Amino acid sequence: ILNVEQSPQSLHVQEGDSTNFTCSFPSSNFYALHWYRWETAKSPEALFVMTLNGDEKKKGRISATLNTKEGYSYLYIKGSQPEDSATYLCAVNSGNTGKLIFGQGTTLQVKP
Amino acid sequence: EADIYQTPRYLVIGTGKKITLECSQTMGHDKMYWYQQDPGMELHLIHYSYGVNSTEKGDLSSESTVSRIRTEHFPLTLESARPSHTSQYLCASSEGREGSYNEQFFGPGTRLTVL
Repeated sequence: ILNVEQSPQSLHVQEGDSTNFTCSFPSSNFYALHWYRWETAKSPEALFVMTLNGDEKKKGRISATLNTKEGYSYLYIKGSQPEDSATYLCAVNSGNTGKLIFGQGTTLQVKP
Repeated sequence: EADIYQTPRYLVIGTGKKITLECSQTMGHDKMYWYQQDPGMELHLIHYSYGVNSTEKGDLSSESTVSRIRTEHFPLTLESARPSHTSQYLCASSEGREGSYNEQFFGPGTRLTVL
């Protein structure tokens, strides 16, 4: 069974701090990795879908990198703002299908 | 803004009742999914569908059943609710053919409590 691990489980930072989290996954039979942001009382929202080793994606102050050979992805947030407070989920595709295997998530709290 | 809807948002019900959780999307997506999330745990796929009349069990065993009679509608049914079914249920959809890895669009979820 595919296992996706995220660390840390939770993180508290001050406004303006930059931060990063890790997603680890088995490097064999990799197809794609997804990052989602899930704010309280809202739906999970896709941030990035990454497929190629060395991929780097950016959306505003948030960026992500992918290393498929060693089986990890980093999500970076530059200059955290209170509105960045959310749970960040990582998921990988189960085989050559649309089915996703999720990690437990990293919950970020940004204090003003 | 994703156009995927779930009702009800919250449901408290007694043991033994039959319940149906509704999920609809207006994006014309062929693929739809049901996930279950217990507190502090990962989202686990319990059902998925690649199109009308196509449904399969996910990786987490579930006593629930689903149907896909129309593209836009993917309801989940529990014939006899039990306290062990207490959880959050999220519905999602995505476009693309088999083998594609498109983002999934999620509904807001149904938080189910069985007393």
